[in-house]
Amino acid sequence: KAGVTQTPRYLIKTRGQQVTLSCSPISGHRSVSWYQQTPGQGLQFLFEYFSETQRNKGNFPGRFSGRQFSNSRSEMNVSTLELGDSALYLCASSLASGATEAFFGQGTRLTVV
Amino acid sequence: KNEVEQSPQNLTAQEGEFITINCSYSVGISALHWLQQHPGGGIVSLFMLSSGKKKHGRLIATINIQEKHSSLHITASHPRDSAVYICAVWNYGGSQGNLIFGKGTKLSVKP
Repeated sequence: KAGVTQTPRYLIKTRGQQVTLSCSPISGHRSVSWYQQTPGQGLQFLFEYFSETQRNKGNFPGRFSGRQFSNSRSEMNVSTLELGDSALYLCASSLASGATEAFFGQGTRLTVV
Repeated sequence: KNEVEQSPQNLTAQEGEFITINCSYSVGISALHWLQQHPGGGIVSLFMLSSGKKKHGRLIATINIQEKHSSLHITASHPRDSAVYICAVWNYGGSQGNLIFGKGTKLSVKP
């Protein structure tokens, strides 16, 4: 059974640009959640999508957005990139929404220059 | 003050020792997760619990809802247990929830 797949694994962008990251969940999982990890702030929850609807949300500005498709694949978009957006972005998939066991992908390392 | 506090921040142990990592939180929660992150970034979910105690192999997790405290125990520690252990809690305010993470405990087990 394939795990959670995130693409791309590494990305370099320039300040002011936008970026889209992709996450394919484990087959049968309908929930995808996104996280940001930085050395200073640690892990932070961005948002969770279940059945194409945002169900839960962390405390990030509107520049961070996401969506989920009918096949449960999810994308996360960051607009107007700032240097501080440089981070490891992780996604996780689950069978159900909210407090349930999550399976993490390997992450996308984003560097903003 | 962080809503989720872990202690200790760093822990070095000898192989075979019994290890305890603590997590205290200040918000109302519906569930608590313990995660393990190895060098290289891969994260594995170890436990999700909302009450009592769970055991998986050499790992035991407990939670005391009244005291807002959880512990992760590792019995007979091994160098392969070396990793960062992270506590996270689900907090629901209104219709949407937020998953709040602790800063992690870096464990190093020496052979």
